[in-house]
Amino acid sequence: NAGVTQTPKFRILKIGQSMTLQCAQDMNHNYMYWYRQDPGMGLKLIYYSVGAGITDKGEVPNGYNVSRSTTEDFPLRLELAAPSQTSVYFCASSLDRQSYNEQFFGPGTRLTVL
Amino acid sequence: AQSVTQPDIHITVSEGASLELRCNYSYGATPYLFWYVQSPGQGLQLLLKYFSGDTLVQGIKGFEAEFKRSQSSFNLRKPSVHWSDAAEYFCAVGARAGTALIFGKGTTLSVSS
Repeated sequence: NAGVTQTPKFRILKIGQSMTLQCAQDMNHNYMYWYRQDPGMGLKLIYYSVGAGITDKGEVPNGYNVSRSTTEDFPLRLELAAPSQTSVYFCASSLDRQSYNEQFFGPGTRLTVL
Repeated sequence: AQSVTQPDIHITVSEGASLELRCNYSYGATPYLFWYVQSPGQGLQLLLKYFSGDTLVQGIKGFEAEFKRSQSSFNLRKPSVHWSDAAEYFCAVGARAGTALIFGKGTTLSVSS
């Protein structure tokens, strides 16, 4: 198993540009999550999904969109990049309700918006 | 409000010395508790978890943690630190799957020789 994979690893965007951060998992997990990590702030939940076709907002969803067309993939879309979106983005997944929310994390995408 | 507090931003420990990283939480329901480690430029790796039962849990790399409900704490310990343990450590609390883990702000561990 590759676990949770994310692409790209690094990206520099200009203000106003758009991009999609890719996330995939091969563990057949139902639940997937997007977090952002800012220095000294821990991780904050952006969006999550409890299954294909079902997504919901987390604590900091503004400026982002998600979709979940398959169990495996959970892309995060930035439509109009802003400097405040400079951060490290982590995708995570967990199995189901009986898994006690043990989340497995990808390696992260480091995004800089200039 | 749900929150996790890691009181120590940065700790330096001598190689071979013991380590304790503190974590206090505020959570309305019965919490699931986790410790993750993040090496520079890497993702988060799960060290250990507590769901129920024995309040002393063992994890990978020789780490253990003790859940103390009366103190709302879940401190991480290691009897002898190795230089490779230098990293950032995050305590997290959560509930059922499909909800966010609430993370502390992290403790950076440096190991001196």
